[in-house]
Amino acid sequence: GQNIDQPTEMTATEGAIVQINCTYQTSGFNGLFWYQQHAGEAPTFLSYNVLDGLEEKGRFSSFLSRSKGYSYLLLKELQMKDSASYLCAVREVFSGGYNKLIFGAGTRLAVHP
Amino acid sequence: GAVVSQHPSRVICKSGTSVKIECRSLDFQATTMFWYRQFPKQSLMLMATSNEGSKATYEQGVEKDKFLINHASLTLSTLTVTSAHPEDSSFYICSARGDAHQGYTFGSGTRLTVV
Repeated sequence: GQNIDQPTEMTATEGAIVQINCTYQTSGFNGLFWYQQHAGEAPTFLSYNVLDGLEEKGRFSSFLSRSKGYSYLLLKELQMKDSASYLCAVREVFSGGYNKLIFGAGTRLAVHP
Repeated sequence: GAVVSQHPSRVICKSGTSVKIECRSLDFQATTMFWYRQFPKQSLMLMATSNEGSKATYEQGVEKDKFLINHASLTLSTLTVTSAHPEDSSFYICSARGDAHQGYTFGSGTRLTVV
């Protein structure tokens, strides 16, 4: 089975930095994804980590430690439009190459002026 | 970039009727399609995985006779909610992945309301 945990809600101030953590316990780990989802819309891809370390992409960075089963998404220079849910998702690979993407419950981020 | 088109975006149906949702990959061959369901303020729950030309693999607790999945071509997968009931009201989202496209591209989602 799998278990993916992330905080339910977070608040932050416009212009600040926020870190959203995700811990996971899965078998057949083959990468971790972060998605942003606004209410009523489909998720949009933010980042992907398969090796340990930090991946930076503009205002967003994502970190992975496979030995600790831990990842975080770092958002810098927060903007009001960053208010959304952030979903941590783990890809599991099974025998025969069958794979699936399993999502955590998501973290609702509210950015205030 | 990879694009997945999902239709309809919203549908309201009467209890007991069936609803079909289509998911098309527009610019790549989707060897694998994933169907998710999302209830308000909850995350995406994987319902089933379908590979082109073969039967779908359903997650535990998902009724395969109620949620019919067809993936007859490399660009089209359909989810049919049969004999829909109000508790089936939810946001259904597809995701596609191909051999040449290793990422997961999501459709825009379908808001189903059963009255």
